[in-house]
Amino acid sequence: GQSLEQPSEVTAVEGAIVQINCTYQTSGFYGLSWYQQHDGGAPTFLSYNALDGLEETGRFSSFLSRSDSYGYLLLQELQMKDSASYFCAVSKQAGTALIFGKGTTLSVSS
Amino acid sequence: DAGITQSPRYKITETGRQVTLMCHQTWSHSYMFWYRQDLGHGLRLIYYSAAADITDKGEVPDGYVVSRSKTENFPLTLESATRSQTSVYFCASSAGGRYNEQFFGPGTRLTVL
Repeated sequence: GQSLEQPSEVTAVEGAIVQINCTYQTSGFYGLSWYQQHDGGAPTFLSYNALDGLEETGRFSSFLSRSDSYGYLLLQELQMKDSASYFCAVSKQAGTALIFGKGTTLSVSS
Repeated sequence: DAGITQSPRYKITETGRQVTLMCHQTWSHSYMFWYRQDLGHGLRLIYYSAAADITDKGEVPDGYVVSRSKTENFPLTLESATRSQTSVYFCASSAGGRYNEQFFGPGTRLTVL
């Protein structure tokens, strides 16, 4: 089977740093993506890793270890607007469909 | 307007009726996808298409039919709606590329009574 595991909920305060982990078991791997979804909205792309290591995009960073089938999303300097669901997703080939995790709900409080 | 659109945004139908959800993108992306989102399940792939006239099943295709006669359109049809198909449906498109980024439409909230 294919599965992606991520925590269901994470809470943090404004200004803090939070890490959302994702472990995956899939038959084939091309890359690991992260998407953000606010309540009632559509998922939007945050980050992508095809190779081991850290990718940084502003306050957000994403890490991948292919040998450990593991990745994480790091959110720094948290803001209230970061309260949302975050999904990790695996693609098995370029351009192909994504296999999504069940999502992590992040709640940021003041 | 440029982007990816879905219609209708909300739909209520009855068990057994046929329903078609529309998806249109203006980027000429080769790849298009249909996902459904249910509480506790995240997003699950129903069907996808790599180009016009090329479609393939995803994780949960039963009860759904797709077609793609034009690159920009990818309609999803529920042949005989069931209550278990009550869900939020998202269409997405992608050019492939280095980041394999998918762009999602606003979603269609479908209720089957």
